Amino acid sequence: GDSVTQMEGPVTLSEEAFLTINCTYTATGYPSLFWYVQYPGEGLQLLLKATKADDKGSNKGFEATYRKETTSFHLEKGSVQVSDSAVYFCALKTGANNLFFGTGTRLTVIP
Amino acid sequence: ETGVTQSPTHLIKTRGQQVTLRCSSQSGHNTVSWYQQALGQGPQFIFQYYREEENGRGNFPPRFSGLQFPNYSSELNVNALELDDSALYLCASSTGQPSSNEKLFFGSGTQLSVL
Repeated sequence: GDSVTQMEGPVTLSEEAFLTINCTYTATGYPSLFWYVQYPGEGLQLLLKATKADDKGSNKGFEATYRKETTSFHLEKGSVQVSDSAVYFCALKTGANNLFFGTGTRLTVIP
Repeated sequence: ETGVTQSPTHLIKTRGQQVTLRCSSQSGHNTVSWYQQALGQGPQFIFQYYREEENGRGNFPPRFSGLQFPNYSSELNVNALELDDSALYLCASSTGQPSSNEKLFFGSGTQLSVL
């Protein structure tokens, strides 16, 4: 079945450090891939998405490239800020009508 | 601000009771999905409604049921509550066809505790 495996957390970084959160997936067919972010006390928000192989999603300095050959969709940011502290979820969607989420990675950025 | 509001924000029930959770979506959002997020886990799909009809269901028993209303509000009902039902319940809505990649708008959730 469809599933997402996400890098275990928590992750603690200093401000301006480089961020990578790994995500790999298993899916039948050709999924669309997403990163969602959950800030403290708020609902999930779509951060970025990619709908086909080699697409790069980007938003707010975050990037992720859909790699079909490695079934991966790793999230990266060159210089994190304190305001990026949140829980990040990788997710996939096939032709079905629901998202499959990873377990989430909590990021804490310290000044 | 996602425009999706859920009520109540917190709820405590005892095992065996029934609970109704509510969600209000933006105007025009004719697709609504419900997810269960256990502590330390990612959200799991419960079911989806499109134009007031159930349009897909995850691996949840029939005691989880739902309704969607013409005014873009919806309900999640859980009967015969079990301790393992303790979780954050998220509502998500979108425009367009359910199978599309239209952006989902999530509410902040209802934290349900079953004692």
